[in-house]
Amino acid sequence: SYELTQPPSVSVSLGQMARITCSGEALPKKYAFWFQQKPGQAPVLVIYKDNERPSGIPERFSGSSSGTIVTLAISGVQAEDEADYYCLSADSSYSYRVFGGGTKLTVL
Amino acid sequence: QVQLQESGPGLVKPSQTLSLTCTVSGGSISSDSSCWSWIRQPAGKGLEWIGRVCPSGSTNYKPSLKSRVTISIDTSKNQFSLKLSSVTAADTAMFYCARDRMLTGDPWGASDIWGQGTMVIVSS
Repeated sequence: SYELTQPPSVSVSLGQMARITCSGEALPKKYAFWFQQKPGQAPVLVIYKDNERPSGIPERFSGSSSGTIVTLAISGVQAEDEADYYCLSADSSYSYRVFGGGTKLTVL
Repeated sequence: QVQLQESGPGLVKPSQTLSLTCTVSGGSISSDSSCWSWIRQPAGKGLEWIGRVCPSGSTNYKPSLKSRVTISIDTSKNQFSLKLSSVTAADTAMFYCARDRMLTGDPWGASDIWGQGTMVIVSS
């Protein structure tokens, strides 16, 4: 079955740039979506269609795509950005979707 | 503003069928601009996509769950539902419903609105 791979954890100093990657064979052909989840809360969409930002999401959140890897970048990381982040995409045949394993972002 | 609310039993016995409903308020579930998904998350673990239903009634399921899952839509009640049969302790999780807003050039859509989630425990 199709899988998306994320690093389990990423650490970044306050005010610096954080980058979280997600790799998958179908990503060159299928859009990726990114979600932020804080403890005890439902996930929140922060990036859609690889690099689009929903209204209400701060401009410091951005997405990019290069081949089989998509990246969520957070510039000027703030303490409130500490959370789990998940990527979501579809398999190559468009028959189902899959989440990455999630990345815990720690702000130092 | 569209809102989603999950409901259903919080405790299900092993081998039985888990049944949850998601009620959509503030908008029509029949809108062609949206499909509707179920996602679950075991405590301390990651998100798992279960499947979705569109207003036409078409469905997509995670392959490994397909034999046990049914997702349906009831436009008269503005609700969609999840049934998961033959449950075991491994099915214990927080279950979320979400709206997939359709996007140009993408048949899956953006899961932009989520319910608060409902915890289901499988235990005798």
